[in-house]
Amino acid sequence: EVQLVESGGGLVQPGRSLRLSCAASGITLDDYGMHWVRQAPGKGLEWVSGISWNSGRIGYADSVKGRFTISRDNAKNSLYLQMNSLRAEDTALYYCGKGPGPSTGPIDYWGQGTLVTVSS
Amino acid sequence: EIVLTQSPGTLSLSPGERATLSCRASQSVSSSYLAWYQQKPGQAPRVLIYGASRRATGIPDRFSASGSGTDFTLTISRLEPEDFAVYYCQQYGSSPPYTFGQGTKLEIK
Repeated sequence: EVQLVESGGGLVQPGRSLRLSCAASGITLDDYGMHWVRQAPGKGLEWVSGISWNSGRIGYADSVKGRFTISRDNAKNSLYLQMNSLRAEDTALYYCGKGPGPSTGPIDYWGQGTLVTVSS
Repeated sequence: EIVLTQSPGTLSLSPGERATLSCRASQSVSSSYLAWYQQKPGQAPRVLIYGASRRATGIPDRFSASGSGTDFTLTISRLEPEDFAVYYCQQYGSSPPYTFGQGTKLEIK
């Protein structure tokens, strides 16, 4: 059974940093592209970032470009999101998602999310 | 950036009825790289459709989708009680960002 478990969320002050992790089990992560998607309270889904299987292709939403960095460690079967210069509008539930193949593509498995709250 | 606009914002129907949801893109979605997701309260989304019209594994055949270019449609042929949820489209074309639509809430009439 595929499982994706996010961690690293919490309460952080504006301007500070946070690093999210996503641990995969039941699959070998290096066969798949991966994504981060967020959902602000009561709002819709926002694609944040994606990375191909070998980190050769990476993309970001305009709203986070230059502040967030996606990375992966296939040896640890893990995905990461380094979030710097956090703003109140970054407050959201952050989901890790897996693509069906080595590139990015749609998201066929989702974690349950980790909540990030940016507030002073 | 491709902007996806979903309509209607809210759709009120009864079980057994047919639902038609629309997703319109601000520019052509390459190779029909469009997906549909369902999200229920307190749950992560799940993929229903990818490649504009291919059902994901385990998705009932009452869910179907069509479209190309800038206009896409998700149809639920006969609504079951468990189908009432929020539906999102997402394009994952050749270049990021892979944007989502704002969602359509399908509610029980």
